[in-house]
Amino acid sequence: GAGVSQSPSNKVTEKGKDVELRCDPISGHTALYWYRQSLGQGLEFLIYFQGNSAPDKSGLPSDRFSAERTGGSVSTLTIQRTQQEDSAVYLCASSLAGFSPLHFGNGTRLTVT
Amino acid sequence: GQQLNQSPQSMFIQEGEDVSMNCTSSSIFNTWLWYKQDPGEGPVLLIALYKAGELTSNGRLTAQFGITRKDSFLNISASIPSDVGIYFCAGQLEKSSGDKLTFGTGTRLAVRP
Repeated sequence: GAGVSQSPSNKVTEKGKDVELRCDPISGHTALYWYRQSLGQGLEFLIYFQGNSAPDKSGLPSDRFSAERTGGSVSTLTIQRTQQEDSAVYLCASSLAGFSPLHFGNGTRLTVT
Repeated sequence: GQQLNQSPQSMFIQEGEDVSMNCTSSSIFNTWLWYKQDPGEGPVLLIALYKAGELTSNGRLTAQFGITRKDSFLNISASIPSDVGIYFCAGQLEKSSGDKLTFGTGTRLAVRP
């Protein structure tokens, strides 16, 4: 079956513009995660959705970052008024509930000029 | 917050050599996972460990969940060129804290031809 799909694969935007990143998780996976990976760095947790529970937003770096998950499936990560330090690869992952391993998409590489 | 110390940060090895890397935590995890990331792609799960003391193999890969629940190691035997990439350890917190993973900073592996 299909894996986690992210779009776009690359995004170049001007400083100050808003961007939306999309994630289609694996069908049937109730948990969805967003991580950020800066150049040469590890993965930084951003936000976590699990079923109908309130999302864990503890990793969002500022109020310019927000995410939604509609219908328990597709998720959109929105970054408002982008800054150059927002440049990174944004990775989405999904899993079955209950400590199942995460399956990652290939990420969206965001470049803010 | 949670800190995962992964070592070494990078290593060059001769093809055919064995490789060892490890990960230590300041806190207990219930699950340890090892991922590999190739350029331009998301991390791919290699091995999952669910019990303290567990030793699991996947082909040339062997990983162990430390008895204290605060560490894990990954061994790669008889390395080959396609082993090149970045290896991440990840720990999953106590269930009361949700299912999100905390990642190590990665071990970059390069093989000398």
